Amino acid sequence: QQQVKQSPQSLIVQKGGISIINCAYENTAFDYFPWYQQFPGKGPALLIAIRPDVSEKKEGRFTISFNKSAKQFSLHIMDSQPGDSATYFCAASAEETSGSRLTFGEGTQLTVNP
Amino acid sequence: EPEVTQTPSHQVTQMGQEVILRCVPISNHLYFYWYRQILGQKVEFLVSFYNNEISEKSEIFDDQFSVERPDGSNFTLKIRSTKLEDSAMYFCASSEGWTSGYSGANVLTFGAGSRLTVL
Repeated sequence: QQQVKQSPQSLIVQKGGISIINCAYENTAFDYFPWYQQFPGKGPALLIAIRPDVSEKKEGRFTISFNKSAKQFSLHIMDSQPGDSATYFCAASAEETSGSRLTFGEGTQLTVNP
Repeated sequence: EPEVTQTPSHQVTQMGQEVILRCVPISNHLYFYWYRQILGQKVEFLVSFYNNEISEKSEIFDDQFSVERPDGSNFTLKIRSTKLEDSAMYFCASSEGWTSGYSGANVLTFGAGSRLTVL
């Protein structure tokens, strides 16, 4: 019940295209849903996050869409750029009950071709 | 920009040996964490630490693991007797606590990781 499922495992997009990564969770106690971006040789870095009281959050080219009833959330990268090539992890935590212990998805390797 | 610093970046050890991984969290942060990532797998929570004690640990964090904040700046993870399956990238993270950003979320900053190879 603690799992977060992420898809696809890898994604190749042309420059200027839209990258979409999906995650699904089971634990209804999860109340914080961040996305992390990881470049080779670096640790995960917070990209954008959402709480279940809103259905969408946008920051620049990055948007999280959240569907509470379906227990799904997704990351959309508009106008994808080669510099966006990285591994993306969705995560979830139940801050009310377990502090900020993050449960991560499996990761998506995004490649944006020039 | 403040960052979490981890040493060593890579350590190779023999099975059964003790290993200490070190982390310098961001100076005003109060919460500290260790996560690990086995090659090709997801990032997994190990332990969280606050106010000089473990606040939460996962089932992975058994008696072979321990954490310590020996002084005001370092946060260490010790593996007492390493096993082959301990080979992984170990990430330290720290956080300030619940902030007003992201609707009051506890935002973690991760270090670049320490790669542990057990032979």
